[in-house]
Amino acid sequence: DQQVKQNSPSLSVQEGRISILNCDYTNSMFDYFLWYKKYPAEGPTFLISISSIKDKNEDGRFTVFLNKSAKHLSLHIVPSQPGDSAVYFCAASDNYGQNFVFGPGTRLSVLP
Amino acid sequence: DVKVTQSSRYLVKRTGEKVFLECVQDMDHENMFWYRQDPGLGLRLIYFSYDVKMKEKGDIPEGYSVSREKKERFSLILESASTNQTSMYLCASGYLNGYTFGSGTRLTVV
Repeated sequence: DQQVKQNSPSLSVQEGRISILNCDYTNSMFDYFLWYKKYPAEGPTFLISISSIKDKNEDGRFTVFLNKSAKHLSLHIVPSQPGDSAVYFCAASDNYGQNFVFGPGTRLSVLP
Repeated sequence: DVKVTQSSRYLVKRTGEKVFLECVQDMDHENMFWYRQDPGLGLRLIYFSYDVKMKEKGDIPEGYSVSREKKERFSLILESASTNQTSMYLCASGYLNGYTFGSGTRLTVV
């Protein structure tokens, strides 16, 4: 059974609007979370992280929210740009970054 | 700039062949990882290593082995390739603030 779930395989958003990508996890011991972005034919690249002692982390247009009680995190991209079109993976670790479990990914398409 | 280099972008191998996938990192990281990426399944961990000559099984180690003779190099070995090992293979190194991934090797087993 998947410990990290991304229930939306794909998402389409208009340029300039907000993109919200969701991630749910089942292991309450997870204490560190990452988001990666992956373009076709390239390896994933690190986007943003959050530890379990926080509920929000911002980096430019990207904000990650963590709701520990709901075992849910989300990535907000504002404003969305066509270059944001990629597959986004959520990842979680239960030993502070030693080893991550990845979700199946959500393909984001930002339409001009 | 930090780099993880995978020796091949595309490989086509026959069923039963022994396949070597090579990965080299120039960041002096102790931790290195091999993942495979399949549609709808995300990235699944095959093997990882925290130090030279050290290896640990990930979630799906069956049919694979690894070698870490030097800190910068982590090799994935398919002992006898099968068609269900057709996949994108990604090597990564790093810790805590995220991994650096290589560009991936798309392996097709025919």
